[in-house]
Amino acid sequence: KAGVTQTPRYLIKTRGQQVTLSCSPISGHRSVSWYQQTPGQGLQFLFEYFSETQRNKGNFPGRFSGRQFSNSRSEMNVSTLELGDSALYLCASSLTLPPDTQYFGPGTRLTVL
Amino acid sequence: DAKTTQPNSMESNEEEPVHLPCNHSTISGTDYIHWYRQLPSQGPEYVIHGLTSNVNNRMASLAIAEDRKSSTLILHRATLRDAAVYYCILRDSINNAGNMLTFGGGTRLMVKP
Repeated sequence: KAGVTQTPRYLIKTRGQQVTLSCSPISGHRSVSWYQQTPGQGLQFLFEYFSETQRNKGNFPGRFSGRQFSNSRSEMNVSTLELGDSALYLCASSLTLPPDTQYFGPGTRLTVL
Repeated sequence: DAKTTQPNSMESNEEEPVHLPCNHSTISGTDYIHWYRQLPSQGPEYVIHGLTSNVNNRMASLAIAEDRKSSTLILHRATLRDAAVYYCILRDSINNAGNMLTFGGGTRLMVKP
C-alpha cells in the first residue's frame, strides 16, 4: 500500500504570498492531521480532519486553514506568508477515529523569503 | 494533556542495547504511552505503544513502570539506522481528543559504529 504523499516536497515563496499544500492519505484512511515543524518550536499540531469535518485545531492564527475532500485528500493553505512560516509541514493519516496510529508523510519544506 | 520528560540526547554503540527513558508523573489512568521516532529528513514513524503491561514488537520493547509514572523504550541491538529523535507521547483513549499528537522535545539518539 502506498504511504502518505505530500506535494510539493519543496516550495519557496515570498512574504505576503499565499501557499497551498496537498496531502494524499493512505488508501482507506479517513483522518488527516497537519503539523508544523520548526527548529525553535519543534512539532506542533495544526488541525485534524475526519470525513471532511475539522475535528481539532491547534493554536495557530487564522491565516492557516485547511480542508478535506470526499476522497479524504486534504489541503492546507497559508495566506499572507510571514518569514516565521518557514517550516516543514507534515501530514499524517489514520485509519479511523482516535486513538489510532498516525502515519506521516515526508513533509513539504516551505521557505519564505 | 499530561506532559512527558525525556533526556535531550543519548549516545549508543552499534549492536548494543539502548534504553530510552521517559518520565510522565502526571499520567492519567486512561493515557496510553506511545513512542514515535523521526529519522533524518523524514516524517515521524510509529514505534510502539502500551497501557500497563510491557509490550514487544519487531522494532522495540516498551517497559512500563508499575506505577506508570515512567517508561523505557528498549532497542535491543542499535544499528546506525536507529539514529533518530525518539518521542514519548501520552494519548488519552477516553476523552476523544482526536488523533492529534502532542510532541515534546524528544531524545536525539546517536549511534556510534
